[in-house]
Amino acid sequence: SQTIHQWPATLVQPVGSPLSLECTVEGTSNPNLYWYRQAAGRGLQLLFYSVGIGQISSEVPQNLSASRPQDRQFILSSKKLLLSDSGFYLCAWSATGRSNQPQHFGDGTRLSIL
Amino acid sequence: SQQGEEDPQALSIQEGENATMNCSYKTSINNLQWYRQNSGRGLVHLILIRSNEREKHSGRLRVTLDTSKKSSSLLITASRAADTASYFCATDAPGAGSYQLTFGKGTKLSVIP
Repeated sequence: SQTIHQWPATLVQPVGSPLSLECTVEGTSNPNLYWYRQAAGRGLQLLFYSVGIGQISSEVPQNLSASRPQDRQFILSSKKLLLSDSGFYLCAWSATGRSNQPQHFGDGTRLSIL
Repeated sequence: SQQGEEDPQALSIQEGENATMNCSYKTSINNLQWYRQNSGRGLVHLILIRSNEREKHSGRLRVTLDTSKKSSSLLITASRAADTASYFCATDAPGAGSYQLTFGKGTKLSVIP
């Protein structure tokens, strides 16, 4: 069966520090991968999605970047964090090449910027 | 921009009662999905309904879709305390990548034992 791992679960970082959040998927090949941010009491905002290694699409201009160095690895990064980067970050995957597919989420990283 | 909007924002019911949540959206869709999120956790996919379907069932869940009104409802029958969570609808859109979903802000359901 497929599983998705996301870490760390919580992270407290000072303003201006770098960031690296990692997400890996097991049990499937060539998945579509997604990074979302969820503000408190709000819906999900799609930040990045990837349909293959090295293929990254960004949905909103921001202080963050994403990379997909391996088929089932998706990394969210920042060189210098801002206060506004605080939030709950969720990674997700879906089957590739097919429409009408559900997305499967990790348990998220709660990022607090001080 | 937000595609789906859930209503109500919050709902509190007694265990055993039915819970109904609604979702409205603005543009044409290929399919609509419902997800559940327990506090502090990731989202879990519940059910997907295609634009040519009107109703779908899964266990105690019943989803309806009215494309003429651009709305969907999620009914949870015989609710349990374990159903306490936030529920989100998500839509794709024709012309967008089939893998992109737009989520609403959610309905927070509290089931009181």
